[in-house]
Amino acid sequence: DAGVIQSPRHEVTEMGQEVTLRCKPISGHDYLFWYRQTMMRGLELLIYFNNNVPIDDSGMPEDRFSAKMPNASFSTLKIQPSEPRDSAVYFCASSLGGGSRLRGYTFGSGTRLTVV
Amino acid sequence: KQEVTQIPAALSVPEGENLVLNCSFTDSAIYNLQWFRQDPGKGLTSLLLIQSSQREQTSGRLNASLDKSSGRSTLYIAASQPGDSATYLCAVTVGSSNTGKLIFGQGTTLQVKP
Repeated sequence: DAGVIQSPRHEVTEMGQEVTLRCKPISGHDYLFWYRQTMMRGLELLIYFNNNVPIDDSGMPEDRFSAKMPNASFSTLKIQPSEPRDSAVYFCASSLGGGSRLRGYTFGSGTRLTVV
Repeated sequence: KQEVTQIPAALSVPEGENLVLNCSFTDSAIYNLQWFRQDPGKGLTSLLLIQSSQREQTSGRLNASLDKSSGRSTLYIAASQPGDSATYLCAVTVGSSNTGKLIFGQGTTLQVKP
């Protein structure tokens, strides 16, 4: 199993541009999570899906952020327009049944976003 | 609002020492608690998960305890090795069901010197 796959690994963009981050969860996992990690705020949950349906998006910072999960094997996080304060590492994670000792909670390697 | 705090923020020990990392949370209504490891530039790896009804979990040289009523957890690492150097994060699942919604602490960065 290749694990949770995120792309791109690194993204540098200019302020005001649209940024799209991609995630492929582990096959068979029914939960998908998007997190953001910064030095100041640590790891924050942005949004999560269950069976492709958004369940809780209370962590999405602003309307500039949107996330979709059109099918069980793909999700996107979009920022439009991007701002320098969006610079962070964005992680995608997936799990089966919300995660457990047996079912795992697996993180991708992250996308490091720099907005200049 | 649930808050998770980890102390210390950084720790440096010589190889072979036993050590304890601390995690505290403000709301005892958690479903479970997990400890993760994060290596520089990498994602997180789940180390141990303790259900709210459990007191501890062990995996190899790692032992995690949970005192839900006092809002505390510890991660004990026995006979530390340089390969244990990483950031260790504690996270709680909020609520009464397994939503998978994790609230993380800021982490403890551990350096084990050879």
